[in-house]
Amino acid sequence: SQTIHQWPATLVQPVGSPLSLECTVEGTSNPNLYWYRQAAGRGLQLLFYSVGIGQISSEVPQNLSASRPQDRQFILSSKKLLLSDSGFYLCAWSVLGAAPQPQHFGDGTRLSIL
Amino acid sequence: ELKVEQNPLFLSMQEGKNYTIYCNYSTTSDRLYWYRQDPGKSLESLFVLLSNGAVKQEGRLMASLDTKARLSTLHITAAVHDLSATYFCAVEYSGGSNYKLTFGKGTLLTVNP
Repeated sequence: SQTIHQWPATLVQPVGSPLSLECTVEGTSNPNLYWYRQAAGRGLQLLFYSVGIGQISSEVPQNLSASRPQDRQFILSSKKLLLSDSGFYLCAWSVLGAAPQPQHFGDGTRLSIL
Repeated sequence: ELKVEQNPLFLSMQEGKNYTIYCNYSTTSDRLYWYRQDPGKSLESLFVLLSNGAVKQEGRLMASLDTKARLSTLHITAAVHDLSATYFCAVEYSGGSNYKLTFGKGTLLTVNP
């Protein structure tokens, strides 16, 4: 069966510090991978998605970047964090198959910027 | 730009009552998903609705899709406390070969004894 892992679960960082959040998927090949941010416990905003190694699409201009160095690894980064980067970050995966499948979400990283 | 609107955003119910959450979307799509999120947790997939007239049921929850009206509903029957959570609908649109979801803002459901 497929599983998705995100870490860390919680992170407190000072303004201006760098960021690296990691997401890995097991049990499937060539998944679509997604990074979302959820602010104030409400709606999800799609930040990045990837359909393959090295292929990253950005949905909104921001202080963040994403990379996919391996098929099942997705990394969210920042060189200098802003207060507005606080939120709940969720990684998700999906695969294209004969029938549409829902996106499956990791447990998330709660990021607080001080 | 695809827009997804849910209403109500907040719903307080008594146990045993019935209610419906509505999800409207702005452009043509025949793929709609419902998710549940417990406080502080991730999202759990509830239903996948793939065609006009699709109806799915799981326990006290039933979801339906009307693609002509661009409307999906999530009906709650005889609510129980365990259903308290935030419910999201998400509509899929295709960007070439990339399938992306646009989420509604969510409906925070509280079921009171």
